[in-house]
Amino acid sequence: GAGVSQSPSNKVTEKGKDVELRCDPISGHTALYWYRQSLGQGLEFLIYFQGNSAPDKSGLPSDRFSAERTGGSVSTLTIQRTQQEDSAVYLCASSRDGGDKLFFGSGTQLSVL
Amino acid sequence: GQQLNQSPQSMFIQEGEDVSMNCTSSSIFNTWLWYKQEPGEGPVLLIALYKAGELTSNGRLTAQFGITRKDSFLNISASIPSDVGIYFCAGQLTDSWGKLQFGAGTQVVVTP
Repeated sequence: GAGVSQSPSNKVTEKGKDVELRCDPISGHTALYWYRQSLGQGLEFLIYFQGNSAPDKSGLPSDRFSAERTGGSVSTLTIQRTQQEDSAVYLCASSRDGGDKLFFGSGTQLSVL
Repeated sequence: GQQLNQSPQSMFIQEGEDVSMNCTSSSIFNTWLWYKQEPGEGPVLLIALYKAGELTSNGRLTAQFGITRKDSFLNISASIPSDVGIYFCAGQLTDSWGKLQFGAGTQVVVTP
């Protein structure tokens, strides 16, 4: 597509439920990233994919967080047993070949009640 | 954890004024980037810097990569209302492919 697409744009869930966030990167971009942005904060790196593999998942906050990428394209970030501190905007970005020019989606605003 | 210190946290300026913000780091970066984020959107890349001492312009925006490789600044000249947004610096360490470290952002508000 023309840009990075994320869905849903907003998600409200109850504490303890699982959520799945989706990212469609720019066509042809081999690298895909997930970042988290808490209110009034900068972006926090979560995980990086090159193709379907994740050479760097060091930013995932706990084992409740996981992500996968299939077909070198769409990625899903899953948060199990959500907690209130998981509330944030989850941003996906892609780049052509793992370089520094990241193109970001508009994010998913996650609210855990 | 976050290693970049970005200042100021916010700026309220009048249209036509110049804006200056900076970032400092405890680490040496090989790339500095400046992004702008508007409400409900993801950050958009403004300027990328790759060499110590490099000074790069993009329209009314000018950014510099500090000589020590631990700092960078962004200037916006003759601000206009559409400059409103949050400006983030980001640094990339060597061999950390796209794993950027972001500052906390500078909120810019422009009044007519």
